[in-house]
Amino acid sequence: KNEVEQSPQNLTAQEGEFITINCSYSVGISALHWLQQHPGGGIVSLFMLSSGKKKHGRLIATINIQEKHSSLHITASHPRDSAVYICAVRSNYQLIWGAGTKLIIKP
Amino acid sequence: GAGVSQSPRYKVAKRGQDVALRCDPISGHVSLFWYQQALGQGPEFLTYFQNEAQLDKSGLPSDRFFAERPEGSVSTLKIQRTQQEDSAVYLCASSAAGQGEETQYFGPGTRLLVL
Repeated sequence: KNEVEQSPQNLTAQEGEFITINCSYSVGISALHWLQQHPGGGIVSLFMLSSGKKKHGRLIATINIQEKHSSLHITASHPRDSAVYICAVRSNYQLIWGAGTKLIIKP
Repeated sequence: GAGVSQSPRYKVAKRGQDVALRCDPISGHVSLFWYQQALGQGPEFLTYFQNEAQLDKSGLPSDRFFAERPEGSVSTLKIQRTQQEDSAVYLCASSAAGQGEETQYFGPGTRLLVL
């Protein structure tokens, strides 16, 4: 069993839809990261959180430490949001990565 | 520069050839990480430096892989006698502090193809 699991693996939605990507983990962590990777490989850190909820523009990330679960939400999705979204947890100084969720937003 | 840079961006090597991949972290960043990302997979941790000290190399897949950061800034990942399974994107990241919850900043990666 992978230590970090994301769902869904692939998600296609229409522009404007509310998007939710889920992440569950099985190890003790000090922080959880949500990252965005565009075609071509560039990785951008979206959020780093250890409790509660963070919001940045149309993106919202939540974490429930007791349930070892995090969600990334995108409101009013747009085609430019199309990318792979990766959940990674920090355990000691290692980042343990999920397999990613490939999101396609159709106009 | 403003961000993490890596060179070369692309490398094609013949099987058995040695390669060296360079990472220039953000100036002043203490921590430096190397990751390997195979096609369609998430990045896998390779090794971690705090300044010039290599604190964790547990992710290096074999003794053909070697990383160094002799002056605590630029790092080089060397792969000896490359094999086809080494083909991947090699990502470098740096962060400001030693351990804890600091954000990692990623470079664009080096795409290695071993023929």
